[in-house]
Amino acid sequence: DGGITQSPKYLFRKEGQNVTLSCEQNLNHDAMYWYRQDPGQGLRLIYYSQIVNDFQKGDIAEGYSVSREKKESFPLTVTSAQKNPTAFYLCASSILKPMNTEAFFGQGTRLTVV
Amino acid sequence: AQSVTQLDSHVSVSEGTPVLLRCNYSSSYSPSLFWYVQHPNKGLQLLLKYTSAATLVKGINGFEAEFKKSETSFHLTKPSAHMSDAAEYFCVVRKLTGGGNKLTFGTGTQLKVEL
Repeated sequence: DGGITQSPKYLFRKEGQNVTLSCEQNLNHDAMYWYRQDPGQGLRLIYYSQIVNDFQKGDIAEGYSVSREKKESFPLTVTSAQKNPTAFYLCASSILKPMNTEAFFGQGTRLTVV
Repeated sequence: AQSVTQLDSHVSVSEGTPVLLRCNYSSSYSPSLFWYVQHPNKGLQLLLKYTSAATLVKGINGFEAEFKKSETSFHLTKPSAHMSDAAEYFCVVRKLTGGGNKLTFGTGTQLKVEL
């Protein structure tokens, strides 16, 4: 089936550790996105990419890094520099045009710092 | 700049009564607008989208939204709420930036449906 797969579903991290969240899509979409979700704040954009080997910072990129070595994959690394990483992380993908095309979302990864 | 404002953080209705979730947008030109629904600990599912072909947009599960340019609104409605509609709803605008285009989300409206 076509879709977006995020793994793992739950992730626990010790303070000071880097962790990487996986996002894979088989929809042949050019654009991929990472969002962070906190209660009452909606979804905030961390990074997005529109083409392989290129990505842009979103609104809250500090403490995060990404790579886009393959069209299908857009992993997110939460570094030790991220002060408050406990959150629900959502990955999405879409085609670039037309503008009224929707994005498709994965099922999310819940990251907890212990 | 484009953004969306969801006017209610929580809405509570009785089963069988109408639902109204409000969204206003700011845009300098014709926006691309969407409504998504999220059930607890799940990803987001598209309910409907505005394509400029019609101002009244029909979506899944009986939901509709009306695009009103004069009021810069895109409110989501449903004639009769069902228990399974209890979820969080997001109004979203897609906007062009220097680096391409991205989705900007409202802060969400939590819908509670009571018996």
